[in-house]
Amino acid sequence: GQNIDQPTEMTATEGAIVQINCTYQTSGFNGLFWYQQHAGEAPTFLSYNVLDGLEEKGRFSSFLSRSKGYSYLLLKELQMKDSASYLCAIGAGSYQLTFGKGTKLSVIP
Amino acid sequence: EAQVTQNPRYLITVTGKKLTVTCSQNMNHEYMSWYRQDPGLGLRQIYYSMNVEVTDKGDVPEGYKVSRKEKRNFPLILESPSPNQTSLYFCASSSPGPGASYEQYFGPGTRLTVT
Repeated sequence: GQNIDQPTEMTATEGAIVQINCTYQTSGFNGLFWYQQHAGEAPTFLSYNVLDGLEEKGRFSSFLSRSKGYSYLLLKELQMKDSASYLCAIGAGSYQLTFGKGTKLSVIP
Repeated sequence: EAQVTQNPRYLITVTGKKLTVTCSQNMNHEYMSWYRQDPGLGLRQIYYSMNVEVTDKGDVPEGYKVSRKEKRNFPLILESPSPNQTSLYFCASSSPGPGASYEQYFGPGTRLTVT
């Protein structure tokens, strides 16, 4: 089975950098995903890591260490619209995803 | 426009009255899945389907049924809804991508209340 841990809530200031951590234990691993979910809306895909290292995509970067069972999502130059929940998910088996409970990020002026 | 659609978006019903939530995708994806999302519990998978006529249980299948007669459609059926099935439901679909990535595309969600 899978176990995924991420902080429940975080607060950061507009313009700053925030790092959201995700640790996991899994019996199978096909990759680690990050999704963004605004309140009342559907999750949307942010990033995918299958190999160790950093993947950068604009203001968002995601890091993976498979040996440590650890990932983080880095958000730079925070904007108010980045206030959302960020979901870490593990891919294992045939297209299946197991999601963490999500981290609610509040960006304050 | 590539999308996953769900209907209805909102539903209030009573205990025991059978209901169906429809899900349709226009991306020719093989894989489709249903999740429920509850406060403090996150997204939990109910059922998934690898292709037409192939379905399997997720983590919380009790009280739900699904069918996959066509590739594009994956309805969720609640034969006898109960109040503990009050939740926000999401349908998702995906297909293999570059580097074995399989980004899931989510529908807009169905908010179900069972009284």
